[in-house]
Amino acid sequence: EPEVTQTPSHQVTQMGQEVILRCVPISNHLYFYWYRQILGQKVEFLVSFYNNEISEKSEIFDDQFSVERPDGSNFTLKIRSTKLEDSAMYFCASSEPGNNEQFFGPGTRLTVL
Amino acid sequence: SQKIEQNSEALNIQEGKTATLTCNYTNYSPAYLQWYRQDPGRGPVFLLLIRENEKEKRKERLKVTFDTTLKQSLFHITASQPADSATYLCALDTMDTGRRALTFGSGTRLQVQP
Repeated sequence: EPEVTQTPSHQVTQMGQEVILRCVPISNHLYFYWYRQILGQKVEFLVSFYNNEISEKSEIFDDQFSVERPDGSNFTLKIRSTKLEDSAMYFCASSEPGNNEQFFGPGTRLTVL
Repeated sequence: SQKIEQNSEALNIQEGKTATLTCNYTNYSPAYLQWYRQDPGRGPVFLLLIRENEKEKRKERLKVTFDTTLKQSLFHITASQPADSATYLCALDTMDTGRRALTFGSGTRLQVQP
């Protein structure tokens, strides 16, 4: 069964450093998303991406964040200068055009020291 | 402001019983309501989606109801099993307005005792 994959599973970084989280969405999906979940809190929407551009973003997704689809398979989230409060699980998801059932990856645990 | 509430942080039931989880929302007009399962340290897994014009949806031992007047969804697991133990999340979207972002509730942690 097709699935969303994410790398790395765990990323440890120093405050102020740049990180890139990688995702491979399901191949025939056209909508891509990033969500985050701070430990013990809700899953929060960050950004959605369609047709090579951002279609929606939340207040969390400020200028420190960017997304890119560098080729036909990868979808990345970059955090330019990490802060302690960016520590969270980051989930990538994808969905088909016809419905909004979203398929989530296993997540990347980001720890900012 | 928009708010989604799930009835309790934790629910403990005996194996074989029916688990009923509640999701209430305010200041929201969702096109769809979805239920996901999340195991510790894992991503949410889609279970069921119900549209605003549907009253009930079933899938195997799962049943979801959606009452847009009460602004409430109920999620039932019949003949529950220990393997059903997980956190269950409800999520809303307003896809008909073009927005696909899901807004999640905080979840209900279900524990099924053998």
